[in-house]
Amino acid sequence: AQKITQTQPGMFVQEKEAVTLDCTYDTSDPSYGLFWYKQPSSGEMIFLIYQGSYDQQNATEGRYSLNFQKARKSANLVISASQLGDSAMYFCAMRALTGRRALTFGSGTRLQVQP
Amino acid sequence: DTEVTQTPKHLVMGMTNKKSLKCEQHMGHRAMYWYKQKAKKPPELMFVYSYEKLSINESVPSRFSPECPNSSLLNLHLHALQPEDSALYLCASSQARGQGEDTQYFGPGTRLTVL
Repeated sequence: AQKITQTQPGMFVQEKEAVTLDCTYDTSDPSYGLFWYKQPSSGEMIFLIYQGSYDQQNATEGRYSLNFQKARKSANLVISASQLGDSAMYFCAMRALTGRRALTFGSGTRLQVQP
Repeated sequence: DTEVTQTPKHLVMGMTNKKSLKCEQHMGHRAMYWYKQKAKKPPELMFVYSYEKLSINESVPSRFSPECPNSSLLNLHLHALQPEDSALYLCASSQARGQGEDTQYFGPGTRLTVL
């Protein structure tokens, strides 16, 4: 079984500042992937970044980076230089890398970027 | 191109109606998914098709009937729904790699209201 925990229901950040969204996970699968998605109020789930459990380096995609600490079972999302358009719900998710294709989602963090 | 399209964007139906949701992707993906998302909750997996065959049914009531006519199309047929079925229905697709990342890309969703 897999479990994702996002302990921050809501976060505020000033425009142009960096923000970290927390994600911890639990799994018995030996290899797994961790994903972050952004969901604006329009509803679409937008894929942001991926980290494999076997990856030695933290993933980065533009202003997004994933702070992966395997021993602590954490996969925090760091957004640098926040923009007003970053205001959205952010979901952390994971799946085993073999077998069942289902994503397990956390409860989400609502980020509000203030001017 | 990572586009998944869904129609209609909004749907209002009575409990005795029959309607269908449609999802389409042209990325050559071989796995397609239906999720249900209630307000302020993470998406919940309903069905997974892999190579046009139903591989996961998360004990969804029979009033929801999925169909995968070909590798690009996924339908969700609705019949005799209840008001509690009102939700955002999200479609996603992925390459269906046996191992590895296999990122799921989501469509914009259909907002369903059952009266």
